[in-house]
Amino acid sequence: EAQVTQNPRYLITVTGKKLTVTCSQNMNHEYMSWYRQDPGLGLRQIYYSMNVEVTDKGDVPEGYKVSRKEKRNFPLILESPSPNQTSLYFCASSLGDTQYFGPGTRLTVL
Amino acid sequence: QKEVEQNSGPLSVPEGAIASLNCTYSDRVSQSFFWYRQYSGKSPELIMSIYSNGDKEDGRFTAQLNKASQYVSLLIRDSQPSDSATYLCAVSGSGYSTLTFGKGTMLLVSP
Repeated sequence: EAQVTQNPRYLITVTGKKLTVTCSQNMNHEYMSWYRQDPGLGLRQIYYSMNVEVTDKGDVPEGYKVSRKEKRNFPLILESPSPNQTSLYFCASSLGDTQYFGPGTRLTVL
Repeated sequence: QKEVEQNSGPLSVPEGAIASLNCTYSDRVSQSFFWYRQYSGKSPELIMSIYSNGDKEDGRFTAQLNKASQYVSLLIRDSQPSDSATYLCAVSGSGYSTLTFGKGTMLLVSP
């Protein structure tokens, strides 16, 4: 089944403790992206990648890192999480104009 | 900073009616326009894309684009309770890089 998977789906952590949210797609898509969704602010793009080793900032990249060493994986790294990064995170991949979203990761930073 | 504006709603319509959802965008060079549907607690799913002025129909859905007015709309005919969701308008420039979403309009279809 064609899909985008994210892990973990839920995470509660503390300020400053480094974490990684994994994203993987099995559709051989070149384009992948990370978004965060917050009440009243909508979906905002954090980073995107047009292909392996090619990444670029979206609208809200501060406090996040990404890497794209393989086509299928696009992890999101929070080196020192803060409470304002508490949010619902979505990974997406696309070939052409259809973006396929992962199920989301609900992150709480205490 | 690109902006995409939508009324937050909720937009309430009775079953069988036409629901009309609207979106305006600020960046005149935007090339691609999308409507996503998001059920509560779920991820967004693409329902329509449109690239040129005019109407595009897909089943009960019609997307309308007016680049001169920087306006995109989505019409849902014969609305069903299962259409109750938040509808997100999204806009991108050339090359489909950064995708900017509106905050979404909640649609409620009552039986």
